[in-house]
Amino acid sequence: EAQVTQNPRYLITVTGKKLTVTCSQNMNHEYMSWYRQDPGLGLRQIYYSMNVEVTDKGDVPEGYKVSRKEKRNFPLILESPSPNQTSLYFCASSFGDRGLDGYTFGSGTRLTVV
Amino acid sequence: GESVGLHLPTLSVQEGDNSIINCAYSNSASDYFIWYKQESGKGPQFIIDIRSNMDKRQGQRVTVLLNKTVKHLSLQIAATQPGDSAVYFCAENVGGTYKYIFGTGTRLKVLA
Repeated sequence: EAQVTQNPRYLITVTGKKLTVTCSQNMNHEYMSWYRQDPGLGLRQIYYSMNVEVTDKGDVPEGYKVSRKEKRNFPLILESPSPNQTSLYFCASSFGDRGLDGYTFGSGTRLTVV
Repeated sequence: GESVGLHLPTLSVQEGDNSIINCAYSNSASDYFIWYKQESGKGPQFIIDIRSNMDKRQGQRVTVLLNKTVKHLSLQIAATQPGDSAVYFCAENVGGTYKYIFGTGTRLKVLA
């Protein structure tokens, strides 16, 4: 089944403790992206990647890192999480350039930083 | 449950009626638009898209209308079913960029 898989689904952590949210897609998509979703706001892009070893900042990159060493994986790294990073995170991938054929989204990771 | 949709505008429709969900987009340079459906506890799901050289596109039970003059997008769902209950939001791609702007969404409730 074609899908984007994120792990973990839920995570509660403490301020400052480094964490990684994994994302993997099995569709051979070149374009991948991370978003956060907060109440009253639309999805906001954190980082995106056009291909292996090619990444760039989205609208809200502060406090996050990403890497794209393989085509299928695009982990999101929070080196020193803070409470304002409590949010619902989605990874997405797309076959089309710039996501122009629509994204396939993962099921989300709900992160709570206390 | 997810808290993202707690404060969204809500559209309630009777099962079998047609639904119309509206979206005002922000950037006149946007040239590609998508409607997504997000069910509770799930990621957004692609429904239908439209490019700026079109003003209407139809899918299975769904139609998207684009009015570039007033920067308005609508999603019409025919014969609304209980399974259509979800949050719906639009996304616009700013032409020539990797940037998407997502709307905050509308909750659709289907009444039996």
